[in-house]
Amino acid sequence: DTAVSQTPKYLVTQMGNDKSIKCEQNLGHDTMYWYKQDSKKFLKIMFSYNNKELIINETVPNRFSPKSPDKAHLNLHINSLELGDSAVYFCASSQVGFPRGETQYFGPGTRLLVL
Amino acid sequence: SQQGEEDPQALSIQEGENATMNCSYKTSINNLQWYRQNSGRGLVHLILIRSNEREKHSGRLRVTLDTSKKSSSLLITASRAADTASYFCATDIYNTDKLIFGTGTRLQVFP
Repeated sequence: DTAVSQTPKYLVTQMGNDKSIKCEQNLGHDTMYWYKQDSKKFLKIMFSYNNKELIINETVPNRFSPKSPDKAHLNLHINSLELGDSAVYFCASSQVGFPRGETQYFGPGTRLLVL
Repeated sequence: SQQGEEDPQALSIQEGENATMNCSYKTSINNLQWYRQNSGRGLVHLILIRSNEREKHSGRLRVTLDTSKKSSSLLITASRAADTASYFCATDIYNTDKLIFGTGTRLQVFP
């Protein structure tokens, strides 16, 4: 009965590969997010979707492409992985979202290591 | 530049003591939130305080907000070893859905 789940939990891959991270929420929320947390624990928003529509798209390289097949899922696809992409990626969801932020519920994170 | 700056970066206390963490931000906000992150885990929401509120309580947590100084504090009273975690403030920038997280305070509570 996990509220926000992500798969995989760990991802180790070679530079240049393409990989996807999946996220699902069973809270019935309208808005979902992707965050990146670097080695210094700094957490930065990457994308947000509200009812399958892209709302926030921060200055993220276009190698990163989010896809929302329905409002319960927001997947993150990363092309041509680079060393600097190594980080923990968190998915989150919230009830209301844009234009007013409310409490966000976070998944457990996906630890990506690019070799 | 990041919105939230937290102070101190790290805090070590004994069980039973109070822990105070501070957060400063730069622009107008709708609300300010505090989250906890245990090592290797996701963030867990603790408390949300709106821009028109000055103080809020939840169990052993007390949050204050001073919009004139653009600052907030989180007080954890009678701390426990289980409170050991990183604590982040997050500001919801006015008229956006963007939560900007601070750098976090690492709290260590010794039994």
